[in-house]
This record gives sequence, structure tokens and C-alpha cells, in this order.
Amino acid sequence: LAKTTQPISMDSYEGQEVNITCSHNNIATNDYITWYQQFPSQGPRFIIQGYKTKVTNEVASLFIPADRKSSTLSLPRVSLSDTAVYYCLVGAPGSASKIIFGSGTRLSIRP
Amino acid sequence: NAGVTQTPKFQVLKTGQSMTLQCAQDMNHEYMSWYRQDPGMGLRLIHYSVGAGITDQGEVPNGYNVSRSTTEDFPLRLLSAAPSQTSVYFCASSYQRGSYEQYFGPGTRLTVT
Repeated sequence: LAKTTQPISMDSYEGQEVNITCSHNNIATNDYITWYQQFPSQGPRFIIQGYKTKVTNEVASLFIPADRKSSTLSLPRVSLSDTAVYYCLVGAPGSASKIIFGSGTRLSIRP
Repeated sequence: NAGVTQTPKFQVLKTGQSMTLQCAQDMNHEYMSWYRQDPGMGLRLIHYSVGAGITDQGEVPNGYNVSRSTTEDFPLRLLSAAPSQTSVYFCASSYQRGSYEQYFGPGTRLTVT
């Protein structure tokens, strides 16, 4: 399983764009990058997954450079309700049985 | 669909007591798993199952047992509770083994005194 490194915490303000970077230097050819969001007192929620270049959905965008050794989760115009922990996971869907979470990035949004 | 449900929401046990945390899903998912989350920490995988009758250990299996007699249910048993098992427990499921798109339950907050 590829090891991931994320910042422990980040702060931002309402209305700003927030970018959270995840480093995964030993990513394998078949690995995808997946991000989860966890609000306080709730279970994590899948938000986005990608393999290369850019993926966008109604919640976030995921940018993956050509070497795939890092990825950036982008949250546009954040609000207070985006305060959560964000987890970056790297692995090959369908091959791994153990889905391992790291410590995540604690994002705090201020008014 | 109710998704993934867990009971109870809260539980207090005394050291040495046993109990079962219940988890059920109504999405016909093949894969189910249990995680624990300690305060301020990430999630650690306890046990997982790739289908009825098949279970395996995760990162922190000691002190816990699981079984999977049906596709829908995946109970987690604490054999003899210890204060170190005080945590929030999350059950998750996904359509298939190895899928990174997992659906999580609301969690059970367990305190062992």
C-alpha cells in the first residue's frame, strides 16, 4: 500500500478556495487516489476519486500531476460547514482487502 | 435504503464485560469492515469481511471477534472489555472487495470504565 503524507491541520476563511495536498511518492501503476471527508461525530464520507489529471464533482476537484506522486483536493468557496477532517487514500480498487486510513488533515474554516 | 446502520449509538461497559456491536447494511454490499477511531486520531481497521462466511483481521484485531453469517449483518464482539477499547467504532460497507468507495455507519461511542 502506498504511504501518504498530508498536513496535520489547515485553517482558512469562508469564501476562500482551499487546497489540501497529499504526497504519495511510491504510488503504483494501478493505484487510484481517493478522498474522504469526516464531519465531527459522523462516519467518513467518500467525496472524490481519480487516477490522473483532473476530476471534478459537485463537492470538490481533484488535481493529479503527470507523475502522480502527489494530488491536491480543491474545495471552492468554502463555508463553515466544510470544517472537517479530510483523508487521502491511495490504492488499487479491487485488489486490496485492507482499506487503511491515515490521520487526515483537520480543516478549520473561520467566519 | 437505510444504508449502514449501527446499534447502539452509545454504550458504557465495565472492564471485563462482553458485548456485541451491531452493524447492518441494506445495499447488498459484499464487503464490510469495522474501524475504531480514538480521539483526535484517524481510523484503524479492526476486521473485515469479503462476503458471508469470510472474515479476516485488520490492523488492530486483538480483543475483538467478528462473524458474517449473512450478507447484511457484520457484528463486532468484544470478548472482555478493557479501558483501552474506549473508542468510537465505525462499520463500513462497499459493493465489492477492494473498493475505495465505502459507506460508513453513524458510529457507536463506547466507554469502558
